[in-house]
Amino acid sequence: SAVISQKPSRDICQRGTSLTIQCQVDSQVTMMFWYRQQPGQSLTLIATANQGSEATYESGFVIDKFPISRPNLTFSTLTVSNMSPEDSSIYLCSVPAVTEAFFGQGTRLTVV
Amino acid sequence: SQQGEEDPQALSIQEGENATMNCSYKTSINNLQWYRQNSGRGLVHLILIRSNEREKHSGRLRVTLDTSKKSSSLLITASRAADTASYFCATAPGGSEKLVFGKGTKLTVNP
Repeated sequence: SAVISQKPSRDICQRGTSLTIQCQVDSQVTMMFWYRQQPGQSLTLIATANQGSEATYESGFVIDKFPISRPNLTFSTLTVSNMSPEDSSIYLCSVPAVTEAFFGQGTRLTVV
Repeated sequence: SQQGEEDPQALSIQEGENATMNCSYKTSINNLQWYRQNSGRGLVHLILIRSNEREKHSGRLRVTLDTSKKSSSLLITASRAADTASYFCATAPGGSEKLVFGKGTKLTVNP
């Protein structure tokens, strides 16, 4: 199993600013995923954070808006840049395992 | 894009009743997983059913899978107020480790 510590748990931010979300895993993992969950919706994959290489973004998500760092095998950050109210969502990091995925507790972001 | 479609989107029942949630998906799969999310927090894995399995049990959970119909159901028996949460099915198309989630069912169990 994997235990993921995600920070912050929630934040209220002004539009036009940026927020960096951190995820720390208690073991080394090859891949980490970042998801967005808009209000009342399901999870949508933003990108795969690869250690030692650029993140791989899903359709509709771009690096300029959601830059990702992966400096080592236990840590990753997702930045939500130049925020607008439409970015208000829960953001979750996740690591896959053989039969299940493990998730951080989520960051509830409100942009005002 | 959403792989799965869950129904119902919302379900309200009394404690002790059974809750059934359904999920449909679009592509071929190796397995299908169900997750639970409390109040918009992190997801917790409940159960995995492989494509060659038709039914699986875990405690009060019963999952079925019909690959010919590309559908799955999650049954929670003898529900409790603590079961109140959102439930999502998830698949990994093409054997990828990326999960694609259904829209989810919001379950409310009234004491």
